[in-house]
Amino acid sequence: SQTIHQWPATLVQPVGSPLSLECTVEGTSNPNLYWYRQAAGRGLQLLFYSVGIGQISSEVPQNLSASRPQDRQFILSSKKLLLSDSGFYLCAWDPGVGGYNQPQHFGDGTRLSIL
Amino acid sequence: AQKVTQAQTEISVVEKEDVTLDCVYETRDTTYYLFWYKQPPSGELVFLIRRNSFDEQNEISGRYSWNFQKSTSSFNFTITASQVVDSAVYFCALGGADGLTFGKGTHLIIQP
Repeated sequence: SQTIHQWPATLVQPVGSPLSLECTVEGTSNPNLYWYRQAAGRGLQLLFYSVGIGQISSEVPQNLSASRPQDRQFILSSKKLLLSDSGFYLCAWDPGVGGYNQPQHFGDGTRLSIL
Repeated sequence: AQKVTQAQTEISVVEKEDVTLDCVYETRDTTYYLFWYKQPPSGELVFLIRRNSFDEQNEISGRYSWNFQKSTSSFNFTITASQVVDSAVYFCALGGADGLTFGKGTHLIIQP
């Protein structure tokens, strides 16, 4: 069966520090991968999605970036964190076929606090 | 552009009451998909159900039921005999040509 791993679960970082959040999927090939942010415990904001290795689409311009160095690995990064980057970050995947008729499956999330 | 509206930001009921979470969507697509997700306090989003635009049959799964009505562009979710463990934020989502769009969620509080 497919599983998704996301780490770390919790992160406290000072303003201006770098960031690297990692997400990996097991049990499937060529998935679509997504990074979302959930601020103030509510709505989901799509940050990035990827349909293949090295293919990244950005939905919201900001100081974050994403990379997909391997088929089932998705990394969210920042060179310098801002206070506004605080939030709950969720990684998700879907099978990558059939368009948006497939549900996305989410990792456990990372709670990021910027001090 | 497609849109999902969950007008109820927070609902609080006493355990064992029935509760309905509303979801209204907008899309120009003729083929689209609707989803419900549950986000318990621990944070992860759990997929509950998917429905395609050609299937208006209502679905029941234990205490959960979903009512899809294309005429009113609604996909409502009812929990019967609610339990404290149902307390969570529930998201409705629409999958179509513009991608997957989530509503802002409804925070459901079940009081013992």
